[in-house]
Amino acid sequence: LAKTTQPISMDSYEGQEVNITCSHNNIATNDYITWYQQFPSQGPRFIIQGYKTKVTNEVASLFIPADRKSSTLSLPRVSLSDTAVYYCLFQGGNQGGKLIFGQGTELSVKP
Amino acid sequence: GAGVSQSPRYKVAKRGQDVALRCDPISGHVSLFWYQQALGQGPEFLTYFQNEAQLDKSGLPSDRFFAERPEGSVSTLKIQRTQQEDSAVYLCASSQQGAANIQYFGAGTRLSVL
Repeated sequence: LAKTTQPISMDSYEGQEVNITCSHNNIATNDYITWYQQFPSQGPRFIIQGYKTKVTNEVASLFIPADRKSSTLSLPRVSLSDTAVYYCLFQGGNQGGKLIFGQGTELSVKP
Repeated sequence: GAGVSQSPRYKVAKRGQDVALRCDPISGHVSLFWYQQALGQGPEFLTYFQNEAQLDKSGLPSDRFFAERPEGSVSTLKIQRTQQEDSAVYLCASSQQGAANIQYFGAGTRLSVL
């Protein structure tokens, strides 16, 4: 099944913009790219989903180039409460409805 | 309820005991998923229901693991003869029908097998 690759950890400071890039060389035509966020002792929470170009919601932006072999989650002006693990994964394609998580990116936001 | 509810939040079992973990999905959600999350790892898929039908159980690690959703709403994950390697957080998620739909997760049940 298709896999994604993302940095294991990132550090940032409050007020900065954070960009987390995910590589997915073997994305399928019918795959959507989805990002989830997970805080300690909680289940993952949906952040944003896209197919191509750019998607923006009240929480984040998602940039997907034309070849769809990577995607970048952008978090504007992070705060301490954005400290969490962020997962990039596929939905809708050959994996059916199940989510296939990698290790995710552990984002640490410092004051 | 407003979200996915799981109970108990914490469960301690002696090796060899049977345990049952409960998931109450969001009302009206057709799809229900179970995941297992080991410490420091991402969640791993266990099994999937569409209404009462278990359509995919490819992720269940052994025949000691059994899941059911008899009326298409509440689901129970049962682990028989628990082993230490079963210690993990068990997460339940529900969604509207459709492979690309948002999955809403519960807070999970942390199982510790001594």
